[in-house]
Amino acid sequence: DARVTQTPRHKVTEMGQEVTMRCQPILGHNTVFWYRQTMMQGLELLAYFRNRAPLDDSGMPKDRFSAEMPDATLATLKIQPSEPRDSAVYFCASGLETNTGPGTDTQYFGPGTRLTVL
Amino acid sequence: KNQVEQSPQSLIILEGKNCTLQCNYTVSPFSNLRWYKQDTGRGPVSLTIMTFSENTKSNGRYTATLDADTKQSSLHITASQLSDSASYICVVKWRAAGNKLTFGGGTRVLVKP
Repeated sequence: DARVTQTPRHKVTEMGQEVTMRCQPILGHNTVFWYRQTMMQGLELLAYFRNRAPLDDSGMPKDRFSAEMPDATLATLKIQPSEPRDSAVYFCASGLETNTGPGTDTQYFGPGTRLTVL
Repeated sequence: KNQVEQSPQSLIILEGKNCTLQCNYTVSPFSNLRWYKQDTGRGPVSLTIMTFSENTKSNGRYTATLDADTKQSSLHITASQLSDSASYICVVKWRAAGNKLTFGGGTRVLVKP
């Protein structure tokens, strides 16, 4: 049963510290997404990769957030320095985009990383 | 501005009853519309995906409809079960550069015995 895995599941840190969240997409998927979810804002797209290339990171605060895919089995989201307003659940999702049409790309979400910045 | 509005914000229904959730969007040009179910403490799970040319799609007791003319979609839950208690999120994908997704705020459904 293939699934997206995320680590850590929970992270509590102090303001100013660096936070790194990791995601292992489903093997064979060619897209990876990072989302942030809060009670106030709901789900927001932070970054989107296809074939490991960043296609859209317009939703991400560039001064402190960075997203990378060092290889096809690992995606990372880093916050440096972290701030209390970054407290949220961060979801990674992966999918398989093909050229057969706009409705083919189901995204499979990981369990999320719950981040608390004190 | 491209927006997705969902209603109601929350809903309480009795087990066995039906309910309908609404999603209105202003996204244009439109590529597809998805409904996700999110259980508390878990990631969203895809229920249905509809392209602009489809007007209904079912997944078990979940049926989504789409009216591209009025830019409205609904998700109908038939014979609700306790396990249907979750948030339901409507997501619209733009047919534009970057294929951006616009998310609704979700409807929280509570099914009571």
